[in-house]
This record gives sequence, C-alpha cells and structure tokens, in this order.
Amino acid sequence: ETGVTQTPRHLVMGMTNKKSLKCEQHLGHNAMYWYKQSAKKPLELMFVYSLEERVENNSVPSRFSPECPNSSHLFLHLHTLQPEDSALYLCASSQQGSGANVLTFGAGSRLTVL
Amino acid sequence: QKEVEQNSGPLSVPEGAIASLNCTYSDRGSQSFFWYRQYSGKSPELIMFIYSNGDKEDGRFTAQLNKASQYVSLLIRDSQPSDSATYLCAVAGDSWGKLQFGAGTQVVVTP
Repeated sequence: ETGVTQTPRHLVMGMTNKKSLKCEQHLGHNAMYWYKQSAKKPLELMFVYSLEERVENNSVPSRFSPECPNSSHLFLHLHTLQPEDSALYLCASSQQGSGANVLTFGAGSRLTVL
Repeated sequence: QKEVEQNSGPLSVPEGAIASLNCTYSDRGSQSFFWYRQYSGKSPELIMFIYSNGDKEDGRFTAQLNKASQYVSLLIRDSQPSDSATYLCAVAGDSWGKLQFGAGTQVVVTP
C-alpha cells in the first residue's frame, strides 16, 4: 500500500446508524486531516491531528467524532447523521514543519445519509 | 471570515491555448499558496505551491503571486484535454496546514 488509503470508498447509512470511516497513511507524515467536500462548495477542514494534538473546526457537529490512535491511522466515527451530511469525506496527511505543508489526499469516502 | 474566491467556471479553453485561472484571498497574513487539480470523482492532487511574489514555473504550469493585491493565478500553457478538471486554490496562514480552499474553477479543454 502506498500514499493515503481510505475505507470504505462508498457508504450508505440511515440516520440512526453508527459507522466509521478509516484512513491510513504510508508516507511517514506527522499530521492527518479530515476534510468534507460538498458539491460546489470549498473543502471544509473538520479536524487536524498533529503531533498527537487535535485541532478542530468549532462548527463541526458533535455527531462527527475523530480518533487518531497513532500517526498513521485516523478514524471518523459517525452517529445519528443528517441527510445534509451526505458528502465526500477526504482524509489527508502532511509533514508539518518541513517547509511547505503539502497535503496528500486519499481517494475519499462517499457518504450518503438516507 | 477568511475567504478564498475563485470563478466557478466552466472555463472553456481550446486545445493548445493558455488557460488562465485566478484566485483572490482575504487574509493578508497568508504565507503559502497552493494549486490542486481534481478530476471528476477523484481526490485533489498538488500541482504546485508558491511562497514569494512573482512567477514560479513547473513544466506547462506557471503560478503567479501578488501579495499586495492578494491574488494568485495559475497559467496552463499548451492546454490538453487531459487538463480538463477542477482546479482548487488553497491558502495557508501558517504551517499548521489549516488550508483555506476555494470552491474551484472547472476547466474544459476542447479538441
């Protein structure tokens, strides 16, 4: 495996379900991110984990819960989502502190909430 | 609210012509600027980044930065059909990686 891998690629869930998105980076980076991409809107940063510290966008609802057990793995736990949460969820990683903070994105998890 | 603005397009460009994409940003403290390309159904991939005022060239791509006017642009020379994609401008104020993205400009290169 190379780069940033995300699973599942597609997820359909009901509003009462609980599911998780998984991300793994094989680049030796020290920071990982969750972004939300909705149609015709800018990418929205949801969470950043850097050097084991979490930084979050205060506008992200509590029904999204991140977990970063180590520098290579990142999860996004989902519960009681709303239809407006349907979007592409992108994981990214980068090496902070080494010049330009270039993000490498995973292929994304396409979420549909019914 | 710190914002990054881009024309949504689509920008139609004949094959072989130059595509010119513009991006303006509101945060004067922004330090680094990125252009990503996103094909339909795919994830964004980095084209290039720029720190300093002026031009930076990489193959057929040239990024131009003017901090005084708060804009960054991307030129694509000799446009190819494979350049048809959405181009995302991103701006960072620090090394935290809190990139602020624009909504993207869709480019369509017509043979």
